Amino acid sequence: AQKVTQAQTEISVVEKEDVTLDCVYETRDTTYYLFWYKQPPSGELVFLIRRNSFDEQNEISGRYSWNFQKSTSSFNFTITASQVVDSAVYFCALRSYSGNTPLVFGKGTRLSVIA
Amino acid sequence: DVKVTQSSRYLVKRTGEKVFLECVQDMDHENMFWYRQDPGLGLRLIYFSYDVKMKEKGDIPEGYSVSREKKERFSLILESASTNQTSMYLCASSTTGTLYEQYFGPGTRLTVT
Repeated sequence: AQKVTQAQTEISVVEKEDVTLDCVYETRDTTYYLFWYKQPPSGELVFLIRRNSFDEQNEISGRYSWNFQKSTSSFNFTITASQVVDSAVYFCALRSYSGNTPLVFGKGTRLSVIA
Repeated sequence: DVKVTQSSRYLVKRTGEKVFLECVQDMDHENMFWYRQDPGLGLRLIYFSYDVKMKEKGDIPEGYSVSREKKERFSLILESASTNQTSMYLCASSTTGTLYEQYFGPGTRLTVT
């Protein structure tokens, strides 16, 4: 069975601080995909990134970066110099490489960035 | 841009009523999904559909049914609403294949009184 664990339920930081959101996953698949989604107060989930299991290169997009470590089954998300607009619930998700299997989501981490 | 729309943002229904939640996507996606989101529980999959007239149970299908008569539309039905079905309901769609990501609608916050 697949499982995604986001141990941090809520995080609060002051603006301009860096913050890392943890994601640990379990799967028996050798090939799989990992995702991060953002859910701002408006409610709509927004896709941020997809990473496949055979590409362990870290990715950076502006203030966002992702650290994928297969050895520890982790796919952590770091926001550098956080801003108030980063306040949202962030979800990590996993799916098998093969077939039309749905995403398995973690329970989410609520990030509050205080001005 | 992919657009997933849901019929209502907020809905209030009485216990025992039959409730229809509608979801429409405009990108010709094969796959559609219904989730419910509750505090502390994250997103839980209710039902999904890979094609017209096809449906698969998710993790929590009890008390729900679905209908997909047209490719672009996926309906979630609460046959007899109960207070424990008060929740945020999210619809999503995706294309077929290994590289897909799911695109979500804005959600329907349903309150059953």
